[in-house]
Amino acid sequence: DIQMTQSPSSLSASVGDRVTITCRASQSISNFLNWYQQKPGKGPTLLISAASNLQSGAPSRFSGSGSGTDFTLTISNLQPEDFATYYCQQSYNSPRTFGQGTRLDIK
Amino acid sequence: EVQLLESGGGLVQPGGSLRLSCAASGFSISNFAMNWVRQAPGKGLEWVSSISGGAGSTDYADSVEGRFTISRDVSRNTVYLQMNSLRVEDSAIYYCAKDQFYSSPSRGNCFDPWGQGTLVTVSS
Repeated sequence: DIQMTQSPSSLSASVGDRVTITCRASQSISNFLNWYQQKPGKGPTLLISAASNLQSGAPSRFSGSGSGTDFTLTISNLQPEDFATYYCQQSYNSPRTFGQGTRLDIK
Repeated sequence: EVQLLESGGGLVQPGGSLRLSCAASGFSISNFAMNWVRQAPGKGLEWVSSISGGAGSTDYADSVEGRFTISRDVSRNTVYLQMNSLRVEDSAIYYCAKDQFYSSPSRGNCFDPWGQGTLVTVSS
């Protein structure tokens, strides 16, 4: 199975900050990497697919980049509604595996 | 609007069985792959099983292979997860998720949308 490792596991930031979350795959997955946002008590929502494809309706302050084994999710100008947990997921092969999550808290 | 509504969770003893349902609306499950993903309390996400939209081919995580069975009723537009021989470590919120574009779990797929989840607790 492909192991997905996110860092950091948790992060504190303030409204207006720019933050970066990284995701590393245990083998090359090309750009087959998705990012999900999960808020407490809710199911995850798809934020970015194929490493950098921002989903319709998602704010443009979210961006994704990377290929191969190293990927990043960047949130610029943090807004109160962005405080949530973020997961990366590889869609290169089965089983689809997720990172352990990055919890973004308000400082 | 595409929606998924899970049901069937509850408290069950170790070794017991439970059947989860995922009622879909706004699309036909015969056209898209469907998935179950679980999240243990306070933990991350774990893909459990998928069923393709066309032939209904199935796939399972090693952790549930031989104990869980995914199926569907196209006439009811509903996907099921039959869970047998349940273990304490199967306790989790179980989410149903639609493949965004594909009828089978293809390389590059993604899960969109997800349901709100149903809680399964395995305890004596």
